[in-house]
Amino acid sequence: EDQVTQSPEALRLQEGESSSLNCSYTVSGLRGLFWYRQDPGKGPEFLFTLYSAGEEKEKERLKATLTKKESFLHITAPKPEDSATYLCAVQAGSSGSARQLTFGSGTQLTVLP
Amino acid sequence: DSGVTQTPKHLITATGQRVTLRCSPRSGDLSVYWYQQSLDQGLQFLIQYYNGEERAKGNILERFSAQQFPDLHSELNLSSLELGDSALYFCASSLTTGQEKLFFGSGTQLSVL
Repeated sequence: EDQVTQSPEALRLQEGESSSLNCSYTVSGLRGLFWYRQDPGKGPEFLFTLYSAGEEKEKERLKATLTKKESFLHITAPKPEDSATYLCAVQAGSSGSARQLTFGSGTQLTVLP
Repeated sequence: DSGVTQTPKHLITATGQRVTLRCSPRSGDLSVYWYQQSLDQGLQFLIQYYNGEERAKGNILERFSAQQFPDLHSELNLSSLELGDSALYFCASSLTTGQEKLFFGSGTQLSVL
């Protein structure tokens, strides 16, 4: 069974204080690892997809990296508007099979001004 | 705005009742996914439809059913409701069944009293 564990559960940062969120996973046949952002009362919003170990992707103050066992979401000089819950998800399965996402429980990030 | 429309936004009902949640996917997307989000379980995959046909099933209870219509909108039917069914129900869509990037609606908050 695919498993995704995110840590920490909650993180409070001062504006400008860089940090990282962790996502460790156990999956048979990883096809992709995804990061989503979820604001209160809204659906998850896609951020990144990573496909293979060593891959990195960046978007504004966010940078996602992937190893064979975990992924990190690095937040550089965060701003209050970065406050949200960040969800990690994996997609597994062989070619041709239905490939739904398995989500972690998320990290709730609060950036204080 | 993700382009995925879910109605209603809020639903309050009593135990034993039956409700229907509706989802209109993004224009052009053929695949629809239903997820349940609760505080203790996180985002759990329920079921996926692709172009009118059921493609994958997750942790969906027998009391729950779904369908996708010829115009590609989908409905999730929840019957014999229990207190524990109270949760946020999200619909997501993607272009194909193998497309990893999901676009989520804003969800339907179901409260069973």
